[in-house]
Amino acid sequence: KNEVEQSPQNLTAQEGEFITINCSYSVGISALHWLQQHPGGGIVSLFMLSSGKKKHGRLIATINIQEKHSSLHITASHPRDSAVYICAVLLIQGAQKLVFGQGTRLTINP
Amino acid sequence: NAGVMQNPRHLVRRRGQEARLRCSPMKGHSHVYWYRQLPEEGLKFMVYLQKENIIDESGMPKERFSAEFPKEGPSILRIQQVVRGDSAAYFCASSGAMETQYFGPGTRLLVL
Repeated sequence: KNEVEQSPQNLTAQEGEFITINCSYSVGISALHWLQQHPGGGIVSLFMLSSGKKKHGRLIATINIQEKHSSLHITASHPRDSAVYICAVLLIQGAQKLVFGQGTRLTINP
Repeated sequence: NAGVMQNPRHLVRRRGQEARLRCSPMKGHSHVYWYRQLPEEGLKFMVYLQKENIIDESGMPKERFSAEFPKEGPSILRIQQVVRGDSAAYFCASSGAMETQYFGPGTRLLVL
């Protein structure tokens, strides 16, 4: 079993829909990252969370440390949001290395 | 403030050659991380370095791979005697102490 699990693996939605991507982890962490990767492209850090909730534009990230679960929400989704979204955790033990989920491929149709 | 720079962006090597991948961290960042993304697979940690020191290399293959982050200049990931299985995207990230990691654009290595 992977230390970081994301769901769903693939998600297709219509423009304007509210999107939720989930991440569960089984290890002790000091922080959790949400990353975005466009096809053939680089990786953009969207959020780093250690508790609570963060918002940036149409993106919202939440984390529940007790339940070892985080969600990434996109409001009013747009085709340009189409990308792979990756959850990654910083282990409490293990210096500063990130452990990644397998990613969620999001496609927003116009 | 320039972001994390990686070069080259694309690198083609024949089997048995050496590949050198460079990473210049963001200004003020002294922590560098290398990650590998194999085709159709997720990202995997390779190595974590601070200036002149390897902090954690638990993700590095035991042979042919090495990394350095000298006092002056970029961090270098070196792959000797490349094989087809080394074809992947190699991402570098940098951070300050206990801060968000910022990723570079990656180097796509293709071994023929």
